[in-house]
Formats: sequence, structure tokens, C-alpha cells
Amino acid sequence: EVQLVESGGGLVQPGGSLRLSCTASGFTLSSDWMHWVRQAPGKGLEWVARINLDGSSRLYAVSVKGRATISRDNASNTLLLLMNSLTPEDTAVYFCARDRGLDEAFDVWGPGTLVTVSS
Amino acid sequence: DIQMTQSPSSLSASVGDRVTITCRASETILNFLNWYQQRPGKAPKLLIYGANTLQSGVPSRFSGSGSGTHFTLTISDLQVEDFATYFCQQGYSSPPITFGQGTRLE
Repeated sequence: EVQLVESGGGLVQPGGSLRLSCTASGFTLSSDWMHWVRQAPGKGLEWVARINLDGSSRLYAVSVKGRATISRDNASNTLLLLMNSLTPEDTAVYFCARDRGLDEAFDVWGPGTLVTVSS
Repeated sequence: DIQMTQSPSSLSASVGDRVTITCRASETILNFLNWYQQRPGKAPKLLIYGANTLQSGVPSRFSGSGSGTHFTLTISDLQVEDFATYFCQQGYSSPPITFGQGTRLE
């Protein structure tokens, strides 16, 4: 079964950092562009970042640019998101998602991991 | 950035009804429009890509249409499991990839 599972969420102090992982099973991560999408409590979906197959192209939303780094470890079939200088506005469920490859439609999603930024 | 605007924001319906949700783009996105369903506490699920192509495994009561800046998602013969929130998303111009604000079907 094709699956993504995120980990690394939790409570973070303002100004702190996060390291989220997304592990794929049932498919090879290296074959797909991958994304992070987040959803603040009770709000809509916000695209965060995208990485291409070999990691040579990385794009970010303005809201996280300069604070976030998306990367991939194809050997371990894992996608990563590092983010620093967190504020309460970064509180959200973070989803990793697979790009089906033609039109930036996300056909596989993880269940999400909640990041809460609070003192 | 391309802005995506959905209407209505919420919609009341009953089992067996036919409903239509509209999504408008602030500029042309050709047919690079995708629709997702999200149930409470769950991840979004891709329903339709390329404006009108049904994702594998999605029931045929879901259909999408449109091109350019105006798109619709239609659900015919509503089932209990269809009561959820629906999002449109453009894949034409990035960054950023942008989503509509969502339509809650209740």
C-alpha cells in the first residue's frame, strides 16, 4: 500500500525550530516531486514547500522562505522539513504530499503531524 | 500570486441531492485545477485533477468541469460520506501553489 507518514510534531517554544520527517512506503520517494502543506487549526490549506526529484530545485511559500529547508534522503525514502524562528502563526498540522507529476496534483498524503508553537 | 476563490463557503444539503461548488481563479490557469475532499481530522483526498479527470477509486458521482478561470465540482446523489470540506487548488503557476478557502458541505 502506498503510504506517507509524518513525524516530529509537538510543542515548540516561540523562536524555536522544528524538524519534520515524512517516510514513504509502497513507493520510491526518489521517483516523485514532494511537497509540504500545512493547515492551521480550523483554517484552510497552505502550501509550504516543494522539492524536485534530486533536490536541485526547492521552492517555498513567502511565509516560510528564509526559515524553512525542504530536503530529501532518497536512500531512506524520507522527506524532511526544517524550520526555525517559529512563531504562533506556524501552529498547524503539517502534511507531506506526493505530486502526481504532471499538474501539481497531490495524490498521496500523510495523516499529518501537529506542530504547536506556544510558550 | 494566483488567488483561488470558492463559493459558497458552506452549503447545506441532504442525502440524494445534487450540489455544485464553484472555484474561480484570479487569472487563467488553463485546466490546471484540482479538487480535494477533507473529512474532519483527516488528510485531504484528491478527487479530480486536470479540472475534469476523476482520480482512481473516486466514485463517478463526482465530476468536475471548467477551464480558464471558472471551475465547478458537482456531486450528484449525495451520500452520507460526502459531507465534508472541499478545496480547489491551482497547479498552473508556482510558487506558490494556492488553494481555495474551502467549502463545507453539511
